Amino acid sequence: EIVMTQSPATLSVSPGERATLSCRASQFFSSNLAWYQQKPGQAPRLLIHGASTRATGVPARFSGSGSGTDFTLTISSLQSEDFAVYYCQQYSHWPLTFGQGTKVEIK
Amino acid sequence: EVHLLESGGGLVQPGGSLRLSCAASGFTFSSYAMTWLRQAPGKGLEWVSLISGSADSTYYGDSVRGRFTISRDNSKNTLFLQMNSLRAEDTAVYYCATVEIAAVAFADWGQGTLVTVSS
Repeated sequence: EIVMTQSPATLSVSPGERATLSCRASQFFSSNLAWYQQKPGQAPRLLIHGASTRATGVPARFSGSGSGTDFTLTISSLQSEDFAVYYCQQYSHWPLTFGQGTKVEIK
Repeated sequence: EVHLLESGGGLVQPGGSLRLSCAASGFTFSSYAMTWLRQAPGKGLEWVSLISGSADSTYYGDSVRGRFTISRDNSKNTLFLQMNSLRAEDTAVYYCATVEIAAVAFADWGQGTLVTVSS
């Protein structure tokens, strides 16, 4: 099983600032990685797949990068609606696995 | 607009069984693989199972393999999860979701149904 490790666990950011979230895989794979956003009491929302392809309707301030074992989700200028928990997920190998999440909170 | 509605959750004793359903609308159901995921209270996301559009391929997470069975009825646009030999650690909100055509990522989600395993 590929173990996905996200860092930091919590990220405190002021509105308008840039946020950088990391996701590291225990095994090498190409770009079969997705990012999700989850707000309290809601189902997750797909943001990025293929490591860098934004899902339909996702604002351009969200961008993904990386390949191999190290991946990054960047939110260029945090808006109030972006404060949430973010998960990465690999789909290179079965079983599919998620990171433990990074909570982005208001500083 | 894609709409997914889970049902069938509830309280069940350890060792018991439960069958979850996910009614789908707003897209060509048989063209999409579908998946179940879960989230224990206050915890992160865990992938549970996936089934291809034609139901000829199924996949399971290690923690549920041999106890859970995923299936679908394309004539009724419905996805199922049969859960047997339930354990306390299966307590979670269970979500159904569509699988992207070109990536095993989960594009559209239901609102979830809570399964509680407790005596």
